[in-house]
Amino acid sequence: DAKTTQPNSMESNEEEPVHLPCNHSTISGTDYIHWYRQLPSQGPEYVIHGLTSNVNNRMASLAIAEDRKSSTLILHRATLRDAAVYYCILSPLDSNYQLIWGAGTKLIIKP
Amino acid sequence: EAGVTQFPSHSVIEKGQTVTLRCDPISGHDNLYWYRRVMGKEIKFLLHFVKESKQDESGMPNNRFLAERTGGTYSTLKVQPAELEDSGVYFCASSPRATVDTQYFGPGTRLTVL
Repeated sequence: DAKTTQPNSMESNEEEPVHLPCNHSTISGTDYIHWYRQLPSQGPEYVIHGLTSNVNNRMASLAIAEDRKSSTLILHRATLRDAAVYYCILSPLDSNYQLIWGAGTKLIIKP
Repeated sequence: EAGVTQFPSHSVIEKGQTVTLRCDPISGHDNLYWYRRVMGKEIKFLLHFVKESKQDESGMPNNRFLAERTGGTYSTLKVQPAELEDSGVYFCASSPRATVDTQYFGPGTRLTVL
C-alpha cells in the first residue's frame, strides 16, 4: 500500500509561512499527492493536490520533489484559523484514486 | 449550496445492537465514499459508490457492515451486530466524478459501542 510519513506536530507563529513536510518514498508514477486538513470537530477539507509539478491555489502551495519521494505543503501566511491536522495522502490510479491517509501533522499556530 | 450531511452526529449503542448511519451527499454528486477512523488509527477507506452501484468495497472490514445507496441519492451504512472495535468516527464524502476530484466531506458520525 502507498504510505506517507509526516511529523506528529508542528508549531508556527501567526502570520508567518509554514512548511509541512511529507515523505512518500514508495510512491509510484501514477499516484497523486493530496493534502486535506481537518479542523476541530469538522470533517476533512480539501487543500490541494498534484502529480509532478508544483501547484498553487488560494489556500496553499504544494512543492513536489523531483523524484516525487517527498512533498511540502506551504501555507504562505498562517492564521489562527489554519490550526488543524494536515493529512498528506496518496491516491493511486490502480485503486481508482482511493485516498490512502497518513497519520497527519497537528499544526499549532501561536498568536 | 448545501454540503454533505450526516446523521446522527453521535450514536451510543450496546454491543450486539444495530446502528444505521446516513449520509446525504451534495446534490448532483454521483460519487459517494465512506471512511472511518477508529481510535488511535488512521482514516481508512471503506467503500465507494457511483450512483447506486458499489464501485469499490475493498475497505469494508467484514460482513457485519452493509452499505446501500438506493436511487443513487443518500446512502446508509448499517452495522449489525455492532462490536466494541467498531467505535470510531465514520465520514462520508462525495464528488462529482470518480477521478482525482476534490472529495467533500461531511462532519462525521461518532459511533460509540459499549
